[in-house]
Amino acid sequence: DIQLTQSPAFLSASVGDRVTITCRASQDISSYLAWYQQKPGKAPKLLIYAASTLQSGVPSRFSGSGSGTEFTLTISSLQPEDFATYFCQQLNTYPYTFGQGTKLEIK
Amino acid sequence: QLQLQESGPGLVKSSETLSLACTVSGGSIANNRDYWGWIRQPPGQGLEWIGNVYHSGSTYYNPSLMSRLTISVDPSNNQFSLKLTSVSAADTAVYYCARRMTVVVRGRRIDAFDIWGQGTMVTVSS
Repeated sequence: DIQLTQSPAFLSASVGDRVTITCRASQDISSYLAWYQQKPGKAPKLLIYAASTLQSGVPSRFSGSGSGTEFTLTISSLQPEDFATYFCQQLNTYPYTFGQGTKLEIK
Repeated sequence: QLQLQESGPGLVKSSETLSLACTVSGGSIANNRDYWGWIRQPPGQGLEWIGNVYHSGSTYYNPSLMSRLTISVDPSNNQFSLKLTSVSAADTAVYYCARRMTVVVRGRRIDAFDIWGQGTMVTVSS
C-alpha cells in the first residue's frame, strides 16, 4: 500500500496567518492527490483534487501544489472557519490511502 | 443537487454482520462516470477507504477487509450497500458513503470523493 505522511500533525496558527501542510507519499503518485477538510462531527469536504485543482465553491485562499511524492496544501490567510482537520488522499493506486491528518488549531 | 444518506443499525454484536445502505438522491447511481464508495473513521482516528462499486456491479475492495467485505449496488432503488462479516471492536467507526467523481484534468482522468453522506456511527458490542 502507498503510505502518506502528513506534517505537521498539529498546527497552531492565528487568523490571517499563511499556513502550509505537507503530504509525502511512499512512492510516486504523479498528481493523483486530493485534499479534504473535516470539521468535528462532519463528513470530509473536498478542497483540492489532481494535486492543485480547486474544487468548485472552495475559496481561493486554498491552494495545492506538488507532484510525484511531495505535495503541499497552503491557506494564504486563515479565516475562523478554516480551523479544522485536513487530510490528503492518494487515488493513484488501489487501495486508496489517506494521510493521518493535520489538526489546525487557533493560537 | 446530489445527496447521499447512509442507513443501518448503529449497534452490531461482535462476530455478526454489519450491513449498511447508501441512498442516492438528486441524481442517478447509474450514470456512466462515477463510482460509489465507502470510507470509515474510527473514533478520534483517521480515514480508511473500504471499497468502491460501479453501477454495473464492478467492485474494488481494500485488501485488508476483502475477506469479510461485500459491496453491492441496486440501481433500481438508487442504492448501494456494504456488508462486513465477523465484526469486532476494531470495526467500530463512523461509516461514510461517497461519490467518486472522475474528471479530465490536463488530459488525465482524475478521481476524488466529492460528495459525502453525513456518516453513520456503528458500534460493535461484545
